[in-house]
Amino acid sequence: DAKTTQPPSMDCAEGRAANLPCNHSTISGNEYVYWYRQIHSQGPQYIIHGLKNNETNEMASLIITEDRKSSTLILPHATLRDTAVYYCIVIRGTSYGKLTFGQGTILTVHP
Amino acid sequence: DAGVTQSPTHLIKTRGQQVTLRCSPISGHKSVSWYQQVLGQGPQFIFQYYEKEERGRGNFPDRFSARQFPNYSSELNVNALLLGDSALYLCASSLSEANTEAFFGQGTRLTVV
Repeated sequence: DAKTTQPPSMDCAEGRAANLPCNHSTISGNEYVYWYRQIHSQGPQYIIHGLKNNETNEMASLIITEDRKSSTLILPHATLRDTAVYYCIVIRGTSYGKLTFGQGTILTVHP
Repeated sequence: DAGVTQSPTHLIKTRGQQVTLRCSPISGHKSVSWYQQVLGQGPQFIFQYYEKEERGRGNFPDRFSARQFPNYSSELNVNALLLGDSALYLCASSLSEANTEAFFGQGTRLTVV
């Protein structure tokens, strides 16, 4: 599975959009981009995933560049409850359940 | 519907002892995976089971073993505990063996003294 690079930490004001970047320059054609987050003392929570098209759900939007070498997770209106560690993970479709978590980005949402 | 449930929530063991952690997946989910999360790091993959068969194993010693039962619940066993085994152990379930949306439990906090 391709390696990902994320900034160690980011800040965001409550009510503003949070844009979390992820670099995955060695991604292969059959690898998906997944985002999870982990709020303190809880298990990770699935947010969204995509292959090459932009995706949106009730939690967030995922923007994948045309060359697929990077992506951005967008939380459109961040709240204090969005403070968490955000993990960007690249997975082959046949990785059979193995999620390789890196260090992630600690997002802190300020009042 | 209940989410992924893990038991116990907290556990204290002595070095050299053995421990069994339990996980009940979401109803209808046939895949269960186990992860170890040491303080300050991301979760590390230990095992995946699907339809009672091991489908994947991470880089952990043979002291770690697991199994899945006919009702798809799972147990993780760790023998000869070391201080370094102190961690949050997470269980995740998903509908199929391929990577889809994985649902995690709250974890079992194991402390080895």
